Amino acid sequence: GENVEQHPSTLSVQEGDSAVIKCTYSDSASNYFPWYKQELGKRPQLIIDIRSNVGEKKDQRIAVTLNKTAKHFSLHITETQPEDSAVYFCASEAGSARQLTFGSGTQLTVLP
Amino acid sequence: GAVVSQHPSWVICKSGTSVKIECRSLDFQATTMFWYRQFPKQSLMLMATSNEGSKATYEQGVEKDKFLINHASLTLSTLTVTSAHPEDSSFYICSAQLTRGGQPQHFGDGTRLSIL
Repeated sequence: GENVEQHPSTLSVQEGDSAVIKCTYSDSASNYFPWYKQELGKRPQLIIDIRSNVGEKKDQRIAVTLNKTAKHFSLHITETQPEDSAVYFCASEAGSARQLTFGSGTQLTVLP
Repeated sequence: GAVVSQHPSWVICKSGTSVKIECRSLDFQATTMFWYRQFPKQSLMLMATSNEGSKATYEQGVEKDKFLINHASLTLSTLTVTSAHPEDSSFYICSAQLTRGGQPQHFGDGTRLSIL
């Protein structure tokens, strides 16, 4: 089955700096890659997603890049703010069942 | 739009009790609903995929007789944890998807289950 690896597991940045989280996937048939933000004890919230026919997508301070050849995708957050502090999960959708496989998560801490 | 409601949010009960969790899509019809389990500081692990009107598809290692899933309508799926034991204590989250594949999954608020 699909395997998604996510790095780093923890990331601390100063407010205003950029944060980058990287994921790799194993199934070349994967074609949908969402990113979720989860605050402690709350639901995962979709923050951005990208499909395999697109190399990059941006939404204000958040961007995602996809390299299908290398089978990796990354989340970029610019001008970080304390409220960006949360756990971020990447995911990949593959297989006939169209299920999401999640990465292990990155705890992002934005220091004021 | 795309609101998913999950109830209850907290359950504390004695060992041996069966617990039912409801997942409803409030403003859309969900072709597919998913049930996840999340342990503290860990990722979401898919338990089963639920399609309206058909039997759920369980992931390897998930006991179908232990975790009963019913998806009777396009807006409601239920997960029943039968004869729950302390090791079943976890955060259970459902998600719903409008159409199958290539679309965002919208998550419920989750249910924190504590078995004494």
